[in-house]
Amino acid sequence: KAGVTQTPRYLIKTRGQQVTLSCSPISGHRSVSWYQQTPGQGLQFLFEYFSETQRNKGNFPGRFSGRQFSNSRSEMNVSTLELGDSALYLCASSLDVIRRRNSPLHFGNGTRLTVT
Amino acid sequence: ELKVEQNPLFLSMQEGKNYTIYCNYSTTSDRLYWYRQDPGKSLESLFVLLSNGAVKQEGRLMASLDTKARLSTLHITAAVHDLSATYFCALVFGDDKIIFGKGTRLHILP
Repeated sequence: KAGVTQTPRYLIKTRGQQVTLSCSPISGHRSVSWYQQTPGQGLQFLFEYFSETQRNKGNFPGRFSGRQFSNSRSEMNVSTLELGDSALYLCASSLDVIRRRNSPLHFGNGTRLTVT
Repeated sequence: ELKVEQNPLFLSMQEGKNYTIYCNYSTTSDRLYWYRQDPGKSLESLFVLLSNGAVKQEGRLMASLDTKARLSTLHITAAVHDLSATYFCALVFGDDKIIFGKGTRLHILP
């Protein structure tokens, strides 16, 4: 069974640009959640999508947005990039929403975004 | 305020020794995860602890949960170099938010 696939693996952008990251969940998984990992702030929850609907959102500005398609694939978009957006962005998939107790998260390998 | 605190944040230990990583949290949660992350890699699920007193073991790692004390521990027995990694605890809180600890970077010396 294929795991969670994130593309691209690495990305370099300049300030002010926008970026779109992609996540393909494990087949059959309907929930996709996104996380930002930085040395200073650690791992932080961005948002969760289930059945094409955003279910929950972390404490990030509106420049961070996402969507989920009918095949459960998800994209995350960051507009007007800032230097502080440089991070490893991880997505995770699960069968059901995060709140379901028997719904462990399976993480992808991440997209390393560098903003210059 | 929802807080998840891990300690220590850095740990260097000799092979063959035992040690414990602690994860304290600030409010009620019904689920605690432990993950492992190798440098440049993604997170690998180690344990899911669902109830007070839960104990799970895999190889040299054992995790436990005390919901009354709001404390989970990850115990390493007779450490080996392959266990060098960063270990995270994470909890799901009532409003469906998942919060991670800062991680414990474990370095096991041969």
